[in-house]
Amino acid sequence: DIQMTQSPSTLSASVGDRVTITCRASQSISMWLAWYQQKPGRAPKLLIYKASSLESGVPSRFSGSGSGTEFTLTITSLQPDDFATYYCQYYNYNWGVTFGPGTRVDIK
Amino acid sequence: QITLMESGPTLVKPTQTLTLTCTFSGFSLNARGVGVGWVRQPPGKALEWLALIYWNDEKRYSPSLESRLTITKDTSRNQVVLTVTNMDPVDTATYYCAHEPFCIGGSCPLDFWGQGILVTVSS
Repeated sequence: DIQMTQSPSTLSASVGDRVTITCRASQSISMWLAWYQQKPGRAPKLLIYKASSLESGVPSRFSGSGSGTEFTLTITSLQPDDFATYYCQYYNYNWGVTFGPGTRVDIK
Repeated sequence: QITLMESGPTLVKPTQTLTLTCTFSGFSLNARGVGVGWVRQPPGKALEWLALIYWNDEKRYSPSLESRLTITKDTSRNQVVLTVTNMDPVDTATYYCAHEPFCIGGSCPLDFWGQGILVTVSS
C-alpha cells in the first residue's frame, strides 16, 4: 500500500503570509496527487488535481507542484478564508485512494 | 449541477451492519469513466477512503477494510449503497459520498461531495 505523509501537521501563520505544505508518498505516484481544503463541519473541497492543475473556481493564490514522491501546496498570500485543514490525496483508477494525515493552518 | 446526499441510520449498535445510501443528481453512473466513492472521518481525525464504484461496475476497496465493505449501485434510482459489517465504536465517523468524473488519459480525484452523515456506534 502507498502511504502519504504531510508536514507540518500544524502551521501557524498570519494573513498575507506565504504558506507551503509538503506531502510525501512512500513510492512514486507520478502526478496522481490532489489537494483538498476542509473547514470544520464541512465536506472537503478540491483545490488542485494532477499535482499542479487548479480546480475551476479556486483562487490563483493556490498552487501545487511536484511529481514522483514529493509534492507541495503553496498559498502565496494567506487570506482569512484560508484558515482550514489541508489534505493531500493519492488517487489511481487501478488502486483506489489514500489521504494524507492533514495539515491544519491556524492564525498566529 | 452535481449534488450528492447521504442517508441512513445515525446510531447503530456494535456488531450491527451499517447500510448507507448516496442519492445523487446531475450526472449518470452509466456515463463512461464516472464513479462514486465513500470516505469517512472520525471526529477530529483525518479523512479515510473506503470504497469506489465505477460506471462499469468495477469496484475498489480500502485494503484495511475490504473484508467488511460492500459497495453497489442502482443506476435507475441514481443511488450507491455502502454496507459496513460488524460495526464497532471506532467506526464512529462522518461518512461522505463523492463523485469521481471521467478524465481523459487517467484517473481523477473526487470533485463533488455530499454534506456527510454522522454515524455513531454505541450500545
